[in-house]
Amino acid sequence: DIQMTQSPSSLSASVGDRVTITCRASQSIDRSLNWYHHKPGKAPKLLIYAASTLQSGVPSRFIGSGFGTDFKLTITSVQPEDFATYYCQQSYGTPPTFGQGTKVDIK
Amino acid sequence: EVQLVESGGGLVQPGGSLRLSCAASGFSFSDYSMSWIRQAPGKGLEWVSTLTNRGYSTYYPDSVKGRFSMSRDNSKNTLYLQMSSLRPEDTAIYYCAKGRDYGDYWGPGTLVTVSS
Repeated sequence: DIQMTQSPSSLSASVGDRVTITCRASQSIDRSLNWYHHKPGKAPKLLIYAASTLQSGVPSRFIGSGFGTDFKLTITSVQPEDFATYYCQQSYGTPPTFGQGTKVDIK
Repeated sequence: EVQLVESGGGLVQPGGSLRLSCAASGFSFSDYSMSWIRQAPGKGLEWVSTLTNRGYSTYYPDSVKGRFSMSRDNSKNTLYLQMSSLRPEDTAIYYCAKGRDYGDYWGPGTLVTVSS
């Protein structure tokens, strides 16, 4: 299975801060990388697919980048509703696998 | 608006069975692959299984192979996950999601607890 490693595992930010989360794959996955936002008790929400394509309805402050093994999710100006856990997921190999998550909380 | 609502979770003894359902609305259910993903307490997300729109299974991890089975009723816009020989390590929130390679919409999940 392809292993996905996210960093950091958690971070604290203030509203308006720029936040970057990284995700590394154990082998090249081309651009088959997706990002989700998840709050406890709620449905996970797809933010970005194919490394950099914004899902319909997702604010443009979310930016995905990367190719091969190294990927980034950047939130250009964190908003109150963005405090949550973020997961990357590869869809290159079977099974699809997730990173361990990055919890973004309020500083 | 796409909506997915899981049901059927609960407390079950080790070795028992449970069938989860996922009611879908807001899209043409019969045209899409659907998936189940789970999250054990304090753990990350694990992709459990995917079923194509025509009912072909594309994946079961070794941890559930032979014990879990997905099915769908396109006339009822409903997805199912039949779970048998349940183990304590199957305790998790189970989510259904629209899609095969990634979930573009997810439900809020249903909790399955396997305990005596």
